[in-house]
Amino acid sequence: NAGVMQNPRHLVRRRGQEARLRCSPMKGHSHVYWYRQLPEEGLKFMVYLQKENIIDESGMPKERFSAEFPKEGPSILRIQQVVRGDSAAYFCASSPLAGASWNEQFFGPGTRLTVL
Amino acid sequence: AQKITQTQPGMFVQEKEAVTLDCTYDTSDQSYGLFWYKQPSSGEMIFLIYQGSYDEQNATEGRYSLNFQKARKSANLVISASQLGDSAMYFCAGGSNYKLTFGKGTLLTVNP
Repeated sequence: NAGVMQNPRHLVRRRGQEARLRCSPMKGHSHVYWYRQLPEEGLKFMVYLQKENIIDESGMPKERFSAEFPKEGPSILRIQQVVRGDSAAYFCASSPLAGASWNEQFFGPGTRLTVL
Repeated sequence: AQKITQTQPGMFVQEKEAVTLDCTYDTSDQSYGLFWYKQPSSGEMIFLIYQGSYDEQNATEGRYSLNFQKARKSANLVISASQLGDSAMYFCAGGSNYKLTFGKGTLLTVNP
């Protein structure tokens, strides 16, 4: 059973470009979480999605950031008009259930975004 | 909401010795979980151990054990018989729902 997959593993963008980060959850998992890790920091929650629904986006910056988890295909974290402060590692996690099974979040390897 | 505090930015330990990494938490929730993750230089997040707030016994996973003291709101990670491959960042995390809160981490260096 493949784990959580993220691609690309490394992404370089120039200021003003768009960044698209993809996350394929583990087989059988329908809940996806995105976290951001700034340099020298721990991970910070960004958004929680189920298929076709955003459940909690309280950790998402108000502008330029969006996330989706379509019925088919991976979850996408999209950052428009990137700035240097967006440089970070972005981790995706998935779980088979929400709420009571929050202890079963499995993390992907992360995407390291560098904004030049 | 949880708050996780790791007060040790860096720790050193000799190979084969035990080491304790500190973690304190603050929450008003009655039911919550505490986690430790390892992040090697390659960057992935590796789950190590989990402790539920209602678990009466301290969690253990191989060389890892979690010293859970509920009254003191601490969840320290103990690594026994340290190995060179244990050198990494270690993050304590907590949550009462799907939203995990992470500490800033402790960089552990194991010396030969």
